[in-house]
Amino acid sequence: DGGITQSPKYLFRKEGQNVTLSCEQNLNHDAMYWYRQDPGQGLRLIYYSQIVNDFQKGDIAEGYSVSREKKESFPLTVTSAQKNPTAFYLCASSTPSGTGTQYFGPGTRLLVL
Amino acid sequence: DQQVKQNSPSLSVQEGRISILNCDYTNSMFDYFLWYKKYPAEGPTFLISISSIKDKNEDGRFTVFLNKSAKHLSLHIVPSQPGDSAVYFCAARLNIRDDKIIFGKGTRLHILP
Repeated sequence: DGGITQSPKYLFRKEGQNVTLSCEQNLNHDAMYWYRQDPGQGLRLIYYSQIVNDFQKGDIAEGYSVSREKKESFPLTVTSAQKNPTAFYLCASSTPSGTGTQYFGPGTRLLVL
Repeated sequence: DQQVKQNSPSLSVQEGRISILNCDYTNSMFDYFLWYKKYPAEGPTFLISISSIKDKNEDGRFTVFLNKSAKHLSLHIVPSQPGDSAVYFCAARLNIRDDKIIFGKGTRLHILP
């Protein structure tokens, strides 16, 4: 089955701790994205990557970091510098299809202890 | 500054009737518009898209209408079914080069029995 997987489904972070959210896709998509969703808000872009070993900041990159060492994987690290990390994190991927359609994983909910 | 606006946070529609979700945008350079459906604690799923050179696209019960002069698009669902109860996000792509899309804040649709 082709798709995007995110793990874990729930993640708890202690104050001052870095945590890493996993995102894997087997759709052979070139581009991958990380979004954050807060209650009553739309999806806000954190980071995106169009190709392996390259990534760009989105609208709310402060306090986050990413890597793209493999086409299939785009992990997101929420660092201690992110002061309000509690949110629902969504990973997506796309291929240059001409329509801009992105396909999303099931999401990870991050909670601060 | 919101480039994609969904001004109705929620909408209630009787089962079997037509649901109309609205979206306004400010950037005339958007080349594709997309609608996504999202259930709680899940990732958004792609519903339907429309190119900026079209004014209508239909897929089963879902039709999207685009009025470029008014910078307005709408999603029509006919007939509305209980499973349509979800949050609907309008999104727009700025250009084909980086495939970034900008999301509205969403409209929660309640289908009433």
